[in-house]
Amino acid sequence: DAMVIQNPRYQVTQFGKPVTLSCSQTLNHNVMYWYQQKSSQAPKLLFHYYDKDFNNEADTPDNFQSRRPNTSFCFLDIRSPGLGDTAMYLCATSRAPTADTQYFGPGTRLTVL
Amino acid sequence: LAKTTQPISMDSYEGQEVNITCSHNNIATNDYITWYQQFPSQGPRFIIQGYKTKVTNEVASLFIPADRKSSTLSLPRVSLSDTAVYYCLVGDGIYNAGNNRKLIWGLGTSLAVNP
Repeated sequence: DAMVIQNPRYQVTQFGKPVTLSCSQTLNHNVMYWYQQKSSQAPKLLFHYYDKDFNNEADTPDNFQSRRPNTSFCFLDIRSPGLGDTAMYLCATSRAPTADTQYFGPGTRLTVL
Repeated sequence: LAKTTQPISMDSYEGQEVNITCSHNNIATNDYITWYQQFPSQGPRFIIQGYKTKVTNEVASLFIPADRKSSTLSLPRVSLSDTAVYYCLVGDGIYNAGNNRKLIWGLGTSLAVNP
């Protein structure tokens, strides 16, 4: 089945130690998104790619970076994680960068100690 | 600033119809309304999307009045497996390269379906 896959599902890292989260998709969608979702909160969009065009949300901390080496893969890099970055990180895809259904992966639960 | 408001929680019983209303007073002309369902430790899942009037699919209906300042998700005959958090999302229908996406998520409605 076509899907959005996230690895790892659970990640524990130490304060200040860089971490990379991975997302891959078999849907061949043009758009890939990264969201941060803290406990009992709505998902918060960090950035998205439309093909190779990178779009960073204005309030996304510089500590968060992303790479999309090809259509299928997208990475979230947290350069120096802080305790406040403990959250679920969700990857999503859509065909179009406008009003289109987003397909979410299962998420990576990141814990910063 | 655009904002979506929805009830924090709702309770229902199996077999009942559940209506969850989302308020989006500042919705723009090009904005669409989408509803997602989320179970614990999973990513959100698309339920339904609409622009105006009524949309129906195999799992839900979406009612949007003419002024589009609110929308109501209707779940017919809920079951225990419908216990989840439901998010209302207002998103832009026009792409502007390099600009922030307009994706205004509500805080979510936690629906509990009881036997």
